[in-house]
Amino acid sequence: EAGVAQSPRYKIIEKRQSVAFWCNPISGHATLYWYQQILGQGPKLLIQFQNNGVVDDSQLPKDRFSAERLKGVDSTLKIQPAKLEDSAVYLCASSELRNTEAFFGQGTRLTVV
Amino acid sequence: AQSVTQLDSHVSVSEGTPVLLRCNYSSSYSPSLFWYVQHPNKGLQLLLKYTSAATLVKGINGFEAEFKKSETSFHLTKPSAHMSDAAEYFCVVSPYGGATNKLIFGTGTLLAVQP
Repeated sequence: EAGVAQSPRYKIIEKRQSVAFWCNPISGHATLYWYQQILGQGPKLLIQFQNNGVVDDSQLPKDRFSAERLKGVDSTLKIQPAKLEDSAVYLCASSELRNTEAFFGQGTRLTVV
Repeated sequence: AQSVTQLDSHVSVSEGTPVLLRCNYSSSYSPSLFWYVQHPNKGLQLLLKYTSAATLVKGINGFEAEFKKSETSFHLTKPSAHMSDAAEYFCVVSPYGGATNKLIFGTGTLLAVQP
């Protein structure tokens, strides 16, 4: 079974630039999560989708972050404009509906300079 | 509010000795609880999960955890540490028994295993 795919693996940008991350969940998984993991901290949920609807985006900084999951399959997370404090690993995960066992991708490590 | 507290940010053990990683949770309802492991430059991997069945949960690689409602704890143990166990471990709670699929992570415990 293919796992959660994320790209790119690494990205370095200057502050005020924009960046986008892509995630392809496990086939058939209705729930998709984006997490932000700052060095030395646990992952923090940014947004949770169920199919193509948003379940929770309470911790998403909506002035600069946006995410979409068109057609309820793959998803993109965008940051515009980036700040230094956005440097982190961005993790995508997916799970079956009503099953909290989430499978994680390897993440995208973002460095903002 | 739902949360998890991992009581130790760093734990160091010798190879072959027991491992204990401590986790306390706060949840208004019967939660689902998980332990995930993260090796350097690798994705998060599920070690084990509790979802209101048996209170002693066995996971992969010889790890197990016991759900203690009276103590609101879900500590992770292993009888004998191996060098390959060195990694970061996250305790995770899903409130409402997992009905919303929401996962809340603790801050992590970095396990070092000395030869």
